[in-house]
Amino acid sequence: DARVTQTPRHKVTEMGQEVTMRCQPILGHNTVFWYRQTMMQGLELLAYFRNRAPLDDSGMPKDRFSAEMPDATLATLKIQPSEPRDSAVYFCASGLPGPLEETQYFGPGTRLLVL
Amino acid sequence: GNSVTQMEGPVTLSEEAFLTINCTYTATGYPSLFWYVQYPGEGLQLLLKATKADDKGSNKGFEATYRKETTSFHLEKGSVQVSDSAVYFCALLNNAGNMLTFGGGTRLMVKP
Repeated sequence: DARVTQTPRHKVTEMGQEVTMRCQPILGHNTVFWYRQTMMQGLELLAYFRNRAPLDDSGMPKDRFSAEMPDATLATLKIQPSEPRDSAVYFCASGLPGPLEETQYFGPGTRLLVL
Repeated sequence: GNSVTQMEGPVTLSEEAFLTINCTYTATGYPSLFWYVQYPGEGLQLLLKATKADDKGSNKGFEATYRKETTSFHLEKGSVQVSDSAVYFCALLNNAGNMLTFGGGTRLMVKP
């Protein structure tokens, strides 16, 4: 049963620390999405990759957030330095190959708390 | 820009009751429409989808019909179960076919 995996599942850190979240997309998927979920804002798209290339990261605060895909099996989202307002659940999703990435498969999320 | 509006929750129902969760959208063209479900502590899972007007998506007893004339995609289930308790998200896919726009989510609580 192929699934998107994310690590860590939970992270508590202090303001100013670097946070790295990792995602392993489903094998064969060529699109990867990072979302942030908060009570106030709901689900927000942060970044979108196709074939490891970033196509859209307009939803991501550029000064402290960065997203990369070092290879086809790993996507990372980094926050440096972290702030309390970054506390949220961060989801990674991957999509099927083809011209229309209609179905996105979500990982279980990383729950981040910045103190 | 694209937007999705869902009824606010929580929606609390007794087991075997009929469920409707309203969803309307604003978009250009003919976007594909989706319902995702999020169970406690988990990520979102695709529940059903419809890709063109008058299409009906269905899965696990849930149904939603793509209504172009009312720009709606309401989710329905004839008889809910306690296990259906979750947060439900309506979403649309942009014309480029690469990004989903989600509604705010509706929490459903089903009591025995």
